[in-house]
Amino acid sequence: ILNVEQSPQSLHVQEGDSTNFTCSFPSSNFYALHWYRWETAKSPEALFVMTLNGDEKKKGRISATLNTKEGYSYLYIKGSQPEDSATYLCAFRDYKLSFGAGTTVTVRA
Amino acid sequence: DVKVTQSSRYLVKRTGEKVFLECVQDMDHENMFWYRQDPGLGLRLIYFSYDVKMKEKGDIPEGYSVSREKKERFSLILESASTNQTSMYLCASSPSGQNLLLNQPQHFGDGTRLSIL
Repeated sequence: ILNVEQSPQSLHVQEGDSTNFTCSFPSSNFYALHWYRWETAKSPEALFVMTLNGDEKKKGRISATLNTKEGYSYLYIKGSQPEDSATYLCAFRDYKLSFGAGTTVTVRA
Repeated sequence: DVKVTQSSRYLVKRTGEKVFLECVQDMDHENMFWYRQDPGLGLRLIYFSYDVKMKEKGDIPEGYSVSREKKERFSLILESASTNQTSMYLCASSPSGQNLLLNQPQHFGDGTRLSIL
């Protein structure tokens, strides 16, 4: 089982503030890194699939960067809103996906 | 829109029972997956399938089996349920077939919260 670590485990953000958190993964045999958002009582939803070192992806107020040489990815939320409250999962792909435990974001109004 | 449907949101079974969790996808995807999610742990892969009647063990297959008789349906079977199989189970699908290196996102169902008493 590949070691994919996410930090912090949870964080609380004031509405309107920006935040970011980290996914660390093995830097060898890299194929892709996935980010998913998992809201309570819903199914995980794909945000990004990132494949190239230096990749930056953006979806609305959420963006992600990728550093495959050092084995980390950052996910950023700009101007957090209550609807951003969710658990954010990253997953490292070799021939299957290995998931981190997630970062749970709670946005306070 | 992509749809992965799991047969039950909540299920309660007794120790020793044979339990079936069903998953159906309507996207004509080749790949299907079963995961379990436990507090503090990431999604852990139990089994996956890249074609009808094909199956591969994931990271934690012990105590489970699977069946894929039709492309759209992937069943997870707990042969003799035990309390340590109490968990949230998630089914997912993706296109690509045996070439799982194609970087398609997975599409998930809503999950089944299974309690074994």
